[in-house]
Amino acid sequence: EAQVTQNPRYLITVTGKKLTVTCSQNMNHEYMSWYRQDPGLGLRQIYYSMNVEVTDKGDVPEGYKVSRKEKRNFPLILESPSPNQTSLYFCASSWTGLSGYTFGSGTRLTVV
Amino acid sequence: SQQGEEDPQALSIQEGENATMNCSYKTSINNLQWYRQNSGRGLVHLILIRSNEREKHSGRLRVTLDTSKKSSSLLITASRAADTASYFCATDPVIQGAQKLVFGQGTRLTINP
Repeated sequence: EAQVTQNPRYLITVTGKKLTVTCSQNMNHEYMSWYRQDPGLGLRQIYYSMNVEVTDKGDVPEGYKVSRKEKRNFPLILESPSPNQTSLYFCASSWTGLSGYTFGSGTRLTVV
Repeated sequence: SQQGEEDPQALSIQEGENATMNCSYKTSINNLQWYRQNSGRGLVHLILIRSNEREKHSGRLRVTLDTSKKSSSLLITASRAADTASYFCATDPVIQGAQKLVFGQGTRLTINP
């Protein structure tokens, strides 16, 4: 089944403790992206990648890092999480940044 | 940056009625897409309409695009309880060197049995 797999689904962590949210897709898509969703603010793009080793900032990249060492994986790294990064995070992939996206099921992160 | 804005923010109708949601955007686009999100779950791609298209159908969905008014509408006909969800429009603003989708804040649709 074609899908984007995110892990974990839920995560509660403490301020400053580094964490990684994994994202993997099995569709051989070149384009991958991370979004965060917050009430009243909608979905905002954090980072995106147009291919292996090619990443770029989205609209809200501060406090996040990404890497794209393999086509299928696009992990999101929070080096020092803060409470304002409490949010629902989505990974998405597509053939190009302009075609239909396939989204993961989301990761609900709480930073206390 | 919020490119698309949906209207209304919330819509409640009876099962069997038609539901219409609107999306307005600000800049030139390559295409416009509509997505559905069930509560707290991942978004599901519904339909993509290109900037040179005016109307597109997919099952009970009908999407129109008016680039002169920078607006789009999504019509769901003969609504069902399972259509209860939030609906988002997403646009890809024509920005040199960038390929990205910008989402609106969504319309929350409730279908009452």
